[in-house]
Amino acid sequence: NAGVTQTPKFQVLKTGQSMTLQCAQDMNHNSMYWYRQDPGMGLRLIYYSASEGTTDKGEVPNGYNVSRLNKREFSLRLESAAPSQTSVYFCASKPGQGHETQYFGPGTRLLVL
Amino acid sequence: GQSLEQPSEVTAVEGAIVQINCTYQTSGFYGLSWYQQHDGGAPTFLSYNALDGLEETGRFSSFLSRSDSYGYLLLQELQMKDSASYFCAVRDQVTGGGNKLTFGTGTQLKVEL
Repeated sequence: NAGVTQTPKFQVLKTGQSMTLQCAQDMNHNSMYWYRQDPGMGLRLIYYSASEGTTDKGEVPNGYNVSRLNKREFSLRLESAAPSQTSVYFCASKPGQGHETQYFGPGTRLLVL
Repeated sequence: GQSLEQPSEVTAVEGAIVQINCTYQTSGFYGLSWYQQHDGGAPTFLSYNALDGLEETGRFSSFLSRSDSYGYLLLQELQMKDSASYFCAVRDQVTGGGNKLTFGTGTQLKVEL
């Protein structure tokens, strides 16, 4: 099992460019999440998907969109990147109701110039 | 909304015991989790408390008092590898199993010889 994988590992964008961060899990988990982590800060929830076919906003959704492509994959799109979106992005997954552990991917480090 | 407070830094000696506190103010509370994150790494789950009391997992224990909106993580027999950031996180009750977490800003633990 690879667990939760994220691509790319690093990315540099110019202001206004768009990109999609990919996340996949091979643990047959129902729920998936996207977080951002800024230096010295905790993780803030951007969007989540409680189950395949559903997505909901988290704490900081502005400037982002998501797609739960299937049970395995949950992508995060930046339509027009801004310097304020420079951050480390973590994807996570969770088995479903009754389970508390969220399993995190290795992260994508994004720099917007 | 949710807010959580943790100390920003704690320093302790190898072999000692350290306690990391977390107080929270929430509009809804379902449980308190703890995650560990080494520099540059992904957060990993340590423990979860839904009910008052102490949960023990090896060298790590976690405590919750719902009436005081307070919890702590206790690390015993500290090792150098325990040097990391520790985050408390409050779970919102969300239907369908897709529980949302709000994270604190983290406590950086430094273990010295």
